[in-house]
Amino acid sequence: EIVMTQSPATLSVSPGERATLSCRASQSVSSNLAWYQQRRGQAPRLLMYDSSTRATGIPARFSGSGSGTDFTLTISSLQSDDFAVYYCHQYNDWPRTFGQGTKVEIE
Amino acid sequence: QVHLVESGGGLVKPGGSLRLSCAASGFIFSDYYMSWIRQAPGKGLEWVSYISSDGSAVYLSDSVEGRFTVSRDNAKNSLYLQMNSLRDEDTAVYYCARVKNEAPPTYFQHWGQGTLVTVSS
Repeated sequence: EIVMTQSPATLSVSPGERATLSCRASQSVSSNLAWYQQRRGQAPRLLMYDSSTRATGIPARFSGSGSGTDFTLTISSLQSDDFAVYYCHQYNDWPRTFGQGTKVEIE
Repeated sequence: QVHLVESGGGLVKPGGSLRLSCAASGFIFSDYYMSWIRQAPGKGLEWVSYISSDGSAVYLSDSVEGRFTVSRDNAKNSLYLQMNSLRDEDTAVYYCARVKNEAPPTYFQHWGQGTLVTVSS
Protein backbone atom coordinates (compact mmCIF):
# COMPACT_ATOMS: atom_id res chain seq x y z
CA GLU A 1 0.00 0.00 0.00
CA ILE A 2 1.28 3.47 -0.86
CA VAL A 3 1.46 5.62 2.25
CA MET A 4 0.76 9.31 1.72
CA THR A 5 2.33 11.60 4.31
CA GLN A 6 1.22 15.21 4.56
CA SER A 7 3.07 17.98 6.31
CA PRO A 8 2.67 19.94 8.37
CA ALA A 9 -0.27 18.50 10.29
CA THR A 10 -1.41 22.04 11.11
CA LEU A 11 -0.49 25.26 9.35
CA SER A 12 -1.24 28.59 11.00
CA VAL A 13 -1.49 31.39 8.47
CA SER A 14 -2.85 34.93 8.43
CA PRO A 15 -5.45 35.94 5.83
CA GLY A 16 -3.73 37.23 2.70
CA GLU A 17 -0.59 35.19 3.30
CA ARG A 18 0.68 32.28 1.24
CA ALA A 19 0.25 28.67 2.37
CA THR A 20 2.35 25.78 1.16
CA LEU A 21 1.19 22.22 1.89
CA SER A 22 3.27 19.12 1.20
CA CYS A 23 2.35 15.54 0.36
CA ARG A 24 4.89 12.75 0.02
CA ALA A 25 4.21 9.26 -1.35
CA SER A 26 6.07 6.19 -0.12
CA GLN A 27 6.67 5.23 -3.76
CA SER A 28 6.14 6.95 -7.07
CA VAL A 29 2.57 7.79 -8.06
CA SER A 30 3.62 9.57 -11.26
CA SER A 31 1.26 12.57 -11.55
CA ASN A 32 -1.77 10.61 -10.39
CA LEU A 33 -2.48 12.81 -7.40
CA ALA A 34 -5.49 14.86 -6.36
CA TRP A 35 -6.12 17.40 -3.62
CA TYR A 36 -9.40 17.90 -1.75
CA GLN A 37 -10.59 20.62 0.60
CA GLN A 38 -12.88 19.81 3.50
CA ARG A 39 -14.42 22.67 5.41
CA ARG A 40 -15.77 21.99 8.89
CA GLY A 41 -18.95 19.96 8.78
CA GLN A 42 -18.90 19.65 4.99
CA ALA A 43 -18.07 17.00 2.43
CA PRO A 44 -14.70 17.11 0.69
CA ARG A 45 -14.42 19.06 -2.55
CA LEU A 46 -12.05 18.34 -5.42
CA LEU A 47 -9.47 21.11 -5.86
CA MET A 48 -6.78 19.65 -8.07
CA TYR A 49 -6.19 16.52 -10.11
CA ASP A 50 -3.31 15.08 -12.13
CA SER A 51 -1.12 16.95 -9.65
CA SER A 52 -1.50 20.40 -11.19
CA THR A 53 -4.88 20.75 -12.96
CA ARG A 54 -7.44 22.85 -11.16
CA ALA A 55 -10.94 21.40 -10.96
CA THR A 56 -13.85 23.33 -12.41
CA GLY A 57 -14.62 26.49 -10.48
CA ILE A 58 -11.49 26.44 -8.34
CA PRO A 59 -9.89 29.89 -8.06
CA ALA A 60 -6.49 30.56 -9.58
CA ARG A 61 -4.97 31.23 -6.14
CA PHE A 62 -4.80 27.44 -5.78
CA SER A 63 -1.94 25.72 -7.58
CA GLY A 64 -0.45 22.26 -7.48
CA SER A 65 2.89 20.85 -8.48
CA GLY A 66 5.05 17.77 -8.27
CA SER A 67 5.40 14.29 -9.67
CA GLY A 68 6.78 10.99 -8.50
CA THR A 69 6.83 11.15 -4.73
CA ASP A 70 6.76 14.83 -3.78
CA PHE A 71 3.81 17.15 -4.27
CA THR A 72 2.84 20.65 -3.19
CA LEU A 73 -0.42 22.53 -2.94
CA THR A 74 0.01 26.30 -2.75
CA ILE A 75 -2.64 28.84 -1.83
CA SER A 76 -1.21 32.17 -2.91
CA SER A 77 -3.29 34.50 -0.74
CA LEU A 78 -5.49 32.91 1.89
CA GLN A 79 -9.12 33.94 2.02
CA SER A 80 -11.49 33.24 4.90
CA ASP A 81 -13.09 30.36 2.91
CA ASP A 82 -9.74 28.60 2.64
CA PHE A 83 -9.38 27.74 6.31
CA ALA A 84 -10.09 24.03 6.15
CA VAL A 85 -8.48 20.61 6.07
CA TYR A 86 -6.71 19.55 2.87
CA TYR A 87 -6.15 15.95 1.79
CA CYS A 88 -3.97 14.51 -0.95
CA HIS A 89 -5.02 11.29 -2.66
CA GLN A 90 -3.10 8.97 -4.97
CA TYR A 91 -4.87 7.03 -7.71
CA ASN A 92 -1.84 5.42 -9.29
CA ASP A 93 -1.96 2.15 -7.43
CA TRP A 94 -4.23 -0.12 -5.41
CA PRO A 95 -5.60 0.50 -2.89
CA ARG A 96 -6.29 4.17 -3.45
CA THR A 97 -4.97 6.04 -0.44
CA PHE A 98 -5.23 9.47 1.15
CA GLY A 99 -2.89 11.51 3.27
CA GLN A 100 -3.89 12.17 6.86
CA GLY A 101 -4.69 15.81 6.11
CA THR A 102 -3.27 19.26 6.79
CA LYS A 103 -5.40 21.66 8.75
CA VAL A 104 -4.99 25.28 7.67
CA GLU A 105 -6.02 27.52 10.54
CA ILE A 106 -6.11 31.22 11.16
CA GLU A 107 -3.00 32.53 12.91
CA GLN B 1 -25.60 20.55 -11.45
CA VAL B 2 -24.35 17.27 -10.00
CA HIS B 3 -26.28 16.24 -6.90
CA LEU B 4 -25.58 13.17 -4.78
CA VAL B 5 -27.70 12.31 -1.75
CA GLU B 6 -26.83 9.43 0.55
CA SER B 7 -29.30 7.73 2.84
CA GLY B 8 -29.66 4.62 4.95
CA GLY B 9 -27.21 5.34 7.73
CA GLY B 10 -27.99 4.72 11.38
CA LEU B 11 -27.12 2.78 14.51
CA VAL B 12 -26.47 -0.93 14.13
CA LYS B 13 -25.04 -3.59 16.46
CA PRO B 14 -21.74 -5.32 15.72
CA GLY B 15 -22.35 -8.18 13.34
CA GLY B 16 -25.40 -6.47 11.88
CA SER B 17 -26.16 -5.26 8.37
CA LEU B 18 -27.08 -2.00 6.73
CA ARG B 19 -27.72 -0.88 3.17
CA LEU B 20 -26.73 2.58 2.06
CA SER B 21 -28.17 4.29 -0.99
CA CYS B 22 -26.98 7.22 -3.06
CA ALA B 23 -29.42 9.04 -5.33
CA ALA B 24 -27.77 10.83 -8.23
CA SER B 25 -29.05 13.65 -10.40
CA GLY B 26 -27.76 16.37 -12.70
CA PHE B 27 -25.67 14.10 -14.92
CA ILE B 28 -25.93 10.92 -16.99
CA PHE B 29 -25.45 8.43 -14.17
CA SER B 30 -24.87 5.45 -16.46
CA ASP B 31 -21.80 7.13 -17.99
CA TYR B 32 -19.75 7.29 -14.79
CA TYR B 33 -17.87 5.13 -12.37
CA MET B 34 -19.02 5.73 -8.81
CA SER B 35 -17.34 5.29 -5.47
CA TRP B 36 -17.84 5.06 -1.73
CA ILE B 37 -15.40 6.75 0.64
CA ARG B 38 -15.69 6.84 4.41
CA GLN B 39 -14.45 9.01 7.25
CA ALA B 40 -14.36 7.82 10.84
CA PRO B 41 -15.28 10.49 13.41
CA GLY B 42 -12.46 13.04 13.66
CA LYS B 43 -10.28 11.05 11.25
CA GLY B 44 -9.15 11.17 7.63
CA LEU B 45 -10.61 9.76 4.45
CA GLU B 46 -10.57 6.08 3.46
CA TRP B 47 -11.47 4.78 0.01
CA VAL B 48 -13.97 1.88 0.22
CA SER B 49 -15.10 0.92 -3.28
CA TYR B 50 -15.53 1.74 -6.95
CA ILE B 51 -18.07 0.37 -9.38
CA SER B 52 -17.87 0.75 -13.14
CA SER B 53 -20.50 2.58 -15.14
CA ASP B 54 -22.31 -0.61 -16.14
CA GLY B 55 -21.71 -2.39 -12.84
CA SER B 56 -19.55 -5.08 -14.40
CA ALA B 57 -16.38 -4.14 -12.53
CA VAL B 58 -16.17 -3.69 -8.76
CA TYR B 59 -13.19 -2.77 -6.64
CA LEU B 60 -13.21 -3.05 -2.84
CA SER B 61 -10.66 -2.18 -0.21
CA ASP B 62 -9.18 -5.06 1.76
CA SER B 63 -10.80 -3.75 4.94
CA VAL B 64 -14.31 -4.41 3.59
CA GLU B 65 -13.71 -7.19 1.04
CA GLY B 66 -15.98 -10.16 1.78
CA ARG B 67 -18.30 -8.09 3.98
CA PHE B 68 -19.47 -5.22 1.79
CA THR B 69 -20.91 -5.33 -1.72
CA VAL B 70 -21.46 -2.42 -4.04
CA SER B 71 -24.09 -2.28 -6.76
CA ARG B 72 -25.97 0.20 -8.87
CA ASP B 73 -29.27 0.57 -10.68
CA ASN B 74 -28.78 2.82 -13.67
CA ALA B 75 -32.52 2.92 -14.38
CA LYS B 76 -33.01 4.46 -10.94
CA ASN B 77 -29.84 6.61 -10.96
CA SER B 78 -28.85 4.95 -7.71
CA LEU B 79 -25.76 3.51 -6.09
CA TYR B 80 -25.84 1.08 -3.17
CA LEU B 81 -23.51 -0.26 -0.49
CA GLN B 82 -24.61 -3.42 1.29
CA MET B 83 -22.68 -3.70 4.53
CA ASN B 84 -22.71 -7.03 6.40
CA SER B 85 -20.84 -8.31 9.46
CA LEU B 86 -20.36 -4.75 10.63
CA ARG B 87 -17.60 -3.98 13.11
CA ASP B 88 -16.97 -1.10 15.48
CA GLU B 89 -14.27 0.16 13.13
CA ASP B 90 -16.81 0.58 10.32
CA THR B 91 -18.29 3.53 12.22
CA ALA B 92 -17.92 6.48 9.86
CA VAL B 93 -19.61 8.98 7.61
CA TYR B 94 -20.01 7.28 4.25
CA TYR B 95 -19.79 9.46 1.16
CA CYS B 96 -20.73 8.54 -2.35
CA ALA B 97 -18.77 10.23 -5.09
CA ARG B 98 -18.76 10.50 -8.85
CA VAL B 99 -15.51 9.43 -10.44
CA LYS B 100 -13.94 10.77 -13.59
CA ASN B 101 -15.28 8.78 -16.53
CA GLU B 102 -12.34 6.56 -17.41
CA ALA B 103 -10.76 3.26 -16.54
CA PRO B 104 -8.99 2.52 -14.34
CA PRO B 105 -11.02 4.64 -11.94
CA THR B 106 -9.27 7.71 -10.60
CA TYR B 107 -10.22 10.77 -8.55
CA PHE B 108 -13.49 11.85 -7.00
CA GLN B 109 -15.03 14.72 -8.92
CA HIS B 110 -18.20 15.31 -6.88
CA TRP B 111 -19.19 14.20 -3.39
CA GLY B 112 -22.47 13.80 -1.56
CA GLN B 113 -22.99 15.14 1.96
CA GLY B 114 -22.59 11.73 3.54
CA THR B 115 -24.57 9.46 5.83
CA LEU B 116 -23.42 8.42 9.30
CA VAL B 117 -23.13 4.76 10.19
CA THR B 118 -22.59 3.96 13.86
CA VAL B 119 -21.72 0.41 14.89
CA SER B 120 -22.17 -0.05 18.60
CA SER B 121 -23.74 -2.43 21.06
